[in-house]
Amino acid sequence: LAKTTQPISMDSYEGQEVNITCSHNNIATNDYITWYQQFPSQGPRFIIQGYKTKVTNEVASLFIPADRKSSTLSLPRVSLSDTAVYYCLVGSTDNQGGKLIFGQGTELSVKP
Amino acid sequence: NAGVTQTPKFRVLKTGQSMTLLCAQDMNHEYMYWYRQDPGMGLRLIHYSVGEGTTAKGEVPDGYNVSRLKKQNFLLGLESAAPSQTSVYFCASSYSLGGSLSYEQYFGPGTRLTVT
Repeated sequence: LAKTTQPISMDSYEGQEVNITCSHNNIATNDYITWYQQFPSQGPRFIIQGYKTKVTNEVASLFIPADRKSSTLSLPRVSLSDTAVYYCLVGSTDNQGGKLIFGQGTELSVKP
Repeated sequence: NAGVTQTPKFRVLKTGQSMTLLCAQDMNHEYMYWYRQDPGMGLRLIHYSVGEGTTAKGEVPDGYNVSRLKKQNFLLGLESAAPSQTSVYFCASSYSLGGSLSYEQYFGPGTRLTVT
């Protein structure tokens, strides 16, 4: 299973765009990249997933270069409520019942 | 829809005691999972189930047992609790879409367990 590396923490200010990069050098052909958000005392919440190029939904964008060895989660115009831990996951649900590996995550702090 | 619910929310056990954590989902999901999360760490998969009547081991299964007698319920048991099992336990569920398992897992609110 591919191991991921993310910054432990990041700081930002309200209204800024935040980019969190995840490194996954040994990603496998069948692996997808998924991001989750976790607030204190809550379970994680799915944000976005992708395989290659760019994916966008109503809350975030995910950029994946051609070699897929890294990915960047982009949060446009963050607010205080975006303060949370963000997890990058790499894996395939083709086996082991959808086993996904959660790393340590990136703790994002948004300041006024 | 309530989504994924967990019972109880908090529990304190003494070493050697047993207990069962209950997870229920009302989304008709096939797949269910139990994770534990320790301070400052990500989630680790304990056991999972790909359907009613089936269970499988995850990353850290020792000291835990599970059962999935009904599709909507997934039980996590601790037969003889140890202080190392002090953690926050999360249940999650997921679905198949067009024959492929979704990467979107729905999580419950968690159970905070302390073993003294």
